[in-house]
Amino acid sequence: SAVISQKPSRDICQRGTSLTIQCQVDSQVTMMFWYRQQPGQSLTLIATANQGSEATYESGFVIDKFPISRPNLTFSTLTVSNMSPEDSSIYLCSVEDQVASGRSAFEQFFGPGTRLTVL
Amino acid sequence: AQTVTQSQPEMSVQEAETVTLSCTYDTSESDYYLFWYKQPPSRQMILVIRQEAYKQQNATENRFSVNFQKAAKSFSLKISDSQLGDAAMYFCAYLDGATNKLIFGTGTLLAVQP
Repeated sequence: SAVISQKPSRDICQRGTSLTIQCQVDSQVTMMFWYRQQPGQSLTLIATANQGSEATYESGFVIDKFPISRPNLTFSTLTVSNMSPEDSSIYLCSVEDQVASGRSAFEQFFGPGTRLTVL
Repeated sequence: AQTVTQSQPEMSVQEAETVTLSCTYDTSESDYYLFWYKQPPSRQMILVIRQEAYKQQNATENRFSVNFQKAAKSFSLKISDSQLGDAAMYFCAYLDGATNKLIFGTGTLLAVQP
């Protein structure tokens, strides 16, 4: 399975600033995903990032607030812009790793997450 | 829209005993996949087990097995011979085979008592 790293692992930021989170994969993958996990909550998909195209955002998330880059098949960044305390969450990236099992079965593997606290 | 429901916010099991975590989902699709993920305090999401909807046979991975009832849209996880390391938040997840989007339930926090 793919090995995924994220930087930074955690950060404390001031209101109104922006933070860029990096996601690095040890193999080339087509689909990368960004999730938010608010304190004590489940994971919510922010957007899907495919190399060579604009990210596709889920309802409630917009590009101006969460710009995403996907410059190649092993790397992506998520920026949390103009932060407020409500943005305090864990942000996780994941990749889809197709597993051959007679018929394709798609599994997503997750990075370790970035814990963001906004003061 | 697809939804995933986990009705047990917290569960507790004695070490070496068996526990079953419940999950139901709603979909009109016929092609999909179901997963159980484990998230320990380290917050790393770990895939525990997966089930393809077209397969009638329940998936098994060592001490972990599922009871997949497609008609009832139920996908429970059974953990046998529970170990202290099994203590974690468990998320049930649905993957739409057409869009590749994962939809997570709200999670069940499992405590393992020594």
